[in-house]
Order: sequence, then C-alpha cells, then structure tokens
Amino acid sequence: EPEVTQTPSHQVTQMGQEVILRCVPISNHLYFYWYRQILGQKVEFLVSFYNNEISEKSEIFDDQFSVERPDGSNFTLKIRSTKLEDSAMYFCASSGGFAGNTEAFFGQGTRLTVV
Amino acid sequence: SQKIEQNSEALNIQEGKTATLTCNYTNYSPAYLQWYRQDPGRGPVFLLLIRENEKEKRKERLKVTFDTTLKQSLFHITASQPADSATYLCAPGRRNQGGKLIFGQGTELSVKP
Repeated sequence: EPEVTQTPSHQVTQMGQEVILRCVPISNHLYFYWYRQILGQKVEFLVSFYNNEISEKSEIFDDQFSVERPDGSNFTLKIRSTKLEDSAMYFCASSGGFAGNTEAFFGQGTRLTVV
Repeated sequence: SQKIEQNSEALNIQEGKTATLTCNYTNYSPAYLQWYRQDPGRGPVFLLLIRENEKEKRKERLKVTFDTTLKQSLFHITASQPADSATYLCAPGRRNQGGKLIFGQGTELSVKP
C-alpha cells in the first residue's frame, strides 16, 4: 500500500539552528501539506502546497518557515531559526484531490526537539 | 470563529461494547466531516468521510452520523476490541476551505479486555 514517508523520525537541534524536515508524498498525489502537533495538543494545519506553490498557510507559518518541492518526489519543510516552541511532531500529508472531500494520507511524523 | 469540540475526557469501555464518540461544531456549517484515528506518536489515519447530504455512513464496525441541525457528528465502533484503543479525531470542513483539515482535540478511547 502506498504511504507517505518522513525523515528523520527524530531530530534534535540547538535553538537558532536551521532544520529541514523531509517528506516523500504518495507518488500520484498532487496536494501536499504540513501539520504540527505540540505534545498533548491537537494536530494543527501549517501549510498546503499545490502546483509548486503555497495555496494556503496558517498564522503559525510565519517567515521562519518555508516549503519546497525540490524534485519530483520530495517535499520539505524548513525552519530557518528554530525556537524552543517549535518543538513538536511535524506531519506531512498528501492527497489526490482537495483533502476536504478526499482522504489525506499522513506520514509517521518527525519529532523535532529544540534545546 | 469556527469551533470544534470533542469529548475531552477519555472514554473507557469494555471489550464487545459499542463506543460512541461525539464531535460538535459551532459558528459554521461544514459541507463534510472526516474522522481519523491517531495512535501515540503516529500520524492520523483516515477512517471515514461523510458529506452534509448524508445522514449516516458505515464501514465494517464503524458508523458515522452527521446531524446538521444539531451541528454534531457521532462516531460509533460496534463490538469494540482492545485494538480499537486510540485517539479519534474529527475534522469538519467547509466547502470553500480548500485542502486543509481543521481537527478537533480528539477523544482518547480505551477498550479493556
């Protein structure tokens, strides 16, 4: 069964450092997303991406964040200068259509710890 | 602003019983509603989608209802098993919401043998 894969599974970084979280969405999907989940809190939308550009972003997705699809398979989330409050699980998701009326497939997540 | 509420307290039930989880929403009228399962430390997994013109949807032991008058969805697991223990998330969505999912807090279900 096709799946979304994320690497690394766990990343520890120093405050102020840049991190890149990587995702390989399902191959024939066109819509890509990043979500985050702070420990004990709900899953929150960060950004959606379609046709090589951001289609929507949340208030959380400020100038410190960026996304890129550098080739035909990878989808990355970059945090330029990490803060302690960026510590969370980050989930990548993809869907074949707008996730609103089609299911979204989530990866297993990257646990980011900022120290 | 739109608000999504799920039972904040964990639901503990005996194996074999039916689990019923609630998702209430206010300040908007979703065109559809999705339910996901999330295990600890893992990503959400899609279970069911129900549209506003559908009252009920079933998949194996799962049943979802969507009451647009009450602004509520109920998620039922019949003949529950310990393997059903997880957190269940609802995500009601507006027609013009685009692709993003806005999740509720989730309800933790624990099924005891």
